[in-house]
Amino acid sequence: AQSVTQPDIHITVSEGASLELRCNYSYGATPYLFWYVQSPGQGLQLLLKYFSGDTLVQGIKGFEAEFKRSQSSFNLRKPSVHWSDAAEYFCAVGASQGSYIPTFGRGTSLIVHP
Amino acid sequence: NAGVTQTPKFQVLKTGQSMTLQCAQDMNHNSMYWYRQDPGMGLRLIYYSASEGTTDKGEVPNGYNVSRLNKREFSLRLESAAPSQTSVYFCASLRGRPYEQYFGPGTRLTVT
Repeated sequence: AQSVTQPDIHITVSEGASLELRCNYSYGATPYLFWYVQSPGQGLQLLLKYFSGDTLVQGIKGFEAEFKRSQSSFNLRKPSVHWSDAAEYFCAVGASQGSYIPTFGRGTSLIVHP
Repeated sequence: NAGVTQTPKFQVLKTGQSMTLQCAQDMNHNSMYWYRQDPGMGLRLIYYSASEGTTDKGEVPNGYNVSRLNKREFSLRLESAAPSQTSVYFCASLRGRPYEQYFGPGTRLTVT
């Protein structure tokens, strides 16, 4: 079975600073990897996904993530954070074989200071 | 294209009451899911339906039942609500490869 760890419960950054949110996964084969964002009181919106190919994937809102097989990681980055990026971020892993039941991390809450 | 819709948006129940959360998708997806979200716990799978006519238990199915009424609709029923079921409930549907989930806006349920 797959699993996901988001080591940071909260991250605080200043507006304009760079951001990196960590995600580590466990899965035997090549996984499907996702980052979602949830604004307060809203549902989840897909930021980006990795299935195969280029290990650096670009997403919406200026986010990118890099798949590193050797480190079992899929960290989310943004070069310059905006106040509107304050939200909860979830990493998820999906199995590439068998029934498709993705597993979500517990989330990282991003706080942006002006 | 409404995507995934959920009703109601908010609900307050007393312990022991029953209710059904409704979910519908208009994207012709085969698979649908029910999750609950609690602070610090991420999303936990309650039930899922890989296709019309099939349902399977997820990580936290106790106290819940589901019905896949047709391809569009997947409902979640609480037969006898308990305070431990206070949560935000999300429905999702799945597009086949590349396996992207689409989420509804959620139902915020409080059981007193």
